[in-house]
Amino acid sequence: GNSVTQMEGPVTLSEEAFLTINCTYTATGYPSLFWYVQYPGEGLQLLLKATKADDKGSNKGFEATYRKETTSFHLEKGSVQVSDSAVYFCASDPRNTPLVFGKGTRLSVIA
Amino acid sequence: NAGVTQTPKFQVLKTGQSMTLQCAQDMNHNSMYWYRQDPGMGLRLIYYSASEGTTDKGEVPNGYNVSRLNKREFSLRLESAAPSQTSVYFCASRTGGRGTGELFFGEGSRLTVL
Repeated sequence: GNSVTQMEGPVTLSEEAFLTINCTYTATGYPSLFWYVQYPGEGLQLLLKATKADDKGSNKGFEATYRKETTSFHLEKGSVQVSDSAVYFCASDPRNTPLVFGKGTRLSVIA
Repeated sequence: NAGVTQTPKFQVLKTGQSMTLQCAQDMNHNSMYWYRQDPGMGLRLIYYSASEGTTDKGEVPNGYNVSRLNKREFSLRLESAAPSQTSVYFCASRTGGRGTGELFFGEGSRLTVL
């Protein structure tokens, strides 16, 4: 079936630290992949996306590369800020079902 | 630019009461969705509507009904609320159906059932 697995949180980092949040997927075919971010008290908003293998999505210093061989879409940022504290969701968009979300990873960045 | 608007933002119900969550989008999207978000469970799809006039069950439809009133509006009804339905509910929409790209979310409706 279709599923998304992302690393359990919470993740706590100091400001300017390197961030990686792992995400792997199972799907029929080659789905589009997304990272969404949810700030406290708000809905989810798209952070970045990739629609085919080897595509790199990027936004606000965050990056993720669509790796078909490892079925992964890990989120990275070189230097996190306090304002990046949020919950991050990985999602897969297979062609045979609606979007499938991971369970979310809460990130806390401390000054 | 309103995007996806949900009402109400907060609601407290007693077990057995009924209520309807309203959702409207102004982006001319064809597909609309209702999710619930619970701690440690991520987002789970309740119902969706791929286009005006159609609705389909998602992962957790029991205890809910939906109506796609027109292209803009998609409501979620709880006929007899239960404490297990305490959650944050999100409405979302996108241009087309499966494989067509990103979802746009509302700000959420926090429901507590006592």
